[in-house]
Amino acid sequence: LAKTTQPISMDSYEGQEVNITCSHNNIATNDYITWYQQFPSQGPRFIIQGYKTKVTNEVASLFIPADRKSSTLSLPRVSLSDTAVYYCLVGDSLGTGFQKLVFGTGTRLLVSP
Amino acid sequence: DAGVIQSPRHEVTEMGQEVTLRCKPISGHDYLFWYRQTMMRGLELLIYFNNNVPIDDSGMPEDRFSAKMPNASFSTLKIQPSEPRDSAVYFCASRPPGDASTDTQYFGPGTRLTVL
Repeated sequence: LAKTTQPISMDSYEGQEVNITCSHNNIATNDYITWYQQFPSQGPRFIIQGYKTKVTNEVASLFIPADRKSSTLSLPRVSLSDTAVYYCLVGDSLGTGFQKLVFGTGTRLLVSP
Repeated sequence: DAGVIQSPRHEVTEMGQEVTLRCKPISGHDYLFWYRQTMMRGLELLIYFNNNVPIDDSGMPEDRFSAKMPNASFSTLKIQPSEPRDSAVYFCASRPPGDASTDTQYFGPGTRLTVL
């Protein structure tokens, strides 16, 4: 079971770019890297997923180096509404095409005016 | 689509009482998950189903917890008897058919359980 390590908290200001790095040294060949976002009193929400190199969607970018032992979630020009907990997950590949996700403690991002 | 629906949203009960949490997954999704979230332990996977069949219940804390999925559109998580340490937010999530490259779970709003 691949474990992840990410900072407990980060602070930023509106309009800045935020990069949250996650370490997953024992990631398996078949594992994907997934990030979720959770607002207070809500369930987690999928942000982005990748396997290698770079993935970009309308919300964020995910950078994964060649060794895949870490990944960086990049949030461009954050706003107050991006204040949330961000979870980095590495799927526990069961070899069946399905990954059981294990949530860690997450990174609490606080965006200030 | 209405998303994953959970009921009740809040539940307050007394120690020893039976508690039943309900979940309606998104139509067409073939995986259903039950999670528990507390400040101390974070978000923990309790059990998950595939096509209504329980696949892995290794996260269920003890025999007081049970889960069922009688059909594709309904699941329950039951705690009997409940204890104060069961107080937490319980989330239900569902996942559409697909492979690991499109592994997205959709979470419900959660049920906040308080056991006095």
